Amino acid sequence: NAGVTQTPKFRVLKTGQSMTLLCAQDMNHEYMYWYRQDPGMGLRLIHYSVGEGTTAKGEVPDGYNVSRLKKQNFLLGLESAAPSQTSVYFCASSYLGTGVLSGNQPQHFGDGTRLSIL
Amino acid sequence: QQPVQSPQAVILREGEDAVINCSSSKALYSVHWYRQKHGEAPVFLMILLKGGEQKGHEKISASFNEKKQQSSLYLTASQLSYSGTYFCGTASSYSGAGSYQLTFGKGTKLSVIP
Repeated sequence: NAGVTQTPKFRVLKTGQSMTLLCAQDMNHEYMYWYRQDPGMGLRLIHYSVGEGTTAKGEVPDGYNVSRLKKQNFLLGLESAAPSQTSVYFCASSYLGTGVLSGNQPQHFGDGTRLSIL
Repeated sequence: QQPVQSPQAVILREGEDAVINCSSSKALYSVHWYRQKHGEAPVFLMILLKGGEQKGHEKISASFNEKKQQSSLYLTASQLSYSGTYFCGTASSYSGAGSYQLTFGKGTKLSVIP
């Protein structure tokens, strides 16, 4: 039972390089999210998606782009990496829910990607 | 706006109890609680909905005070396995975008020692 899988687990980049983080979930969840976690800051939402082909900005979207071409995958791209983007990145997914619980569903997290930008 | 968690850190001996608070200046419709062990992913504990009852298991439970826009997580008879950082995530509506976008607090680090 894989759940949410993130690749890669670790990566070191040089300033200005680009890369893509991949998130895959096998739970048929509608919602997917990308967070960054910095020491003492908790989890901050970067972008999210409510379904295939749709994306929206979260709290800290600058410097990132996302795509969701398939329901099970959510990609996070860094076009020109900066040292301020050094962080641990978590992907999460959740079920749509129905009725009064629509949206108020547990989020399932991947194991994270540790990204260092020199 | 991030909810405020208190305390920031707490050290307990096995068997002791702890309360972690999560407060918001905005009206809340639901509060999620997650636990994260060092180097691991956050793990879901429970959700409390506005108008709902106190929830939880025998030793970990939570409440939601709608008037104060505050939730509290109760850990009783703590075990070593309870160690980790606890995060609350708040949602600002029952449905739509506000219901699935969570704003997380900065976390409370709980250390349980023998």
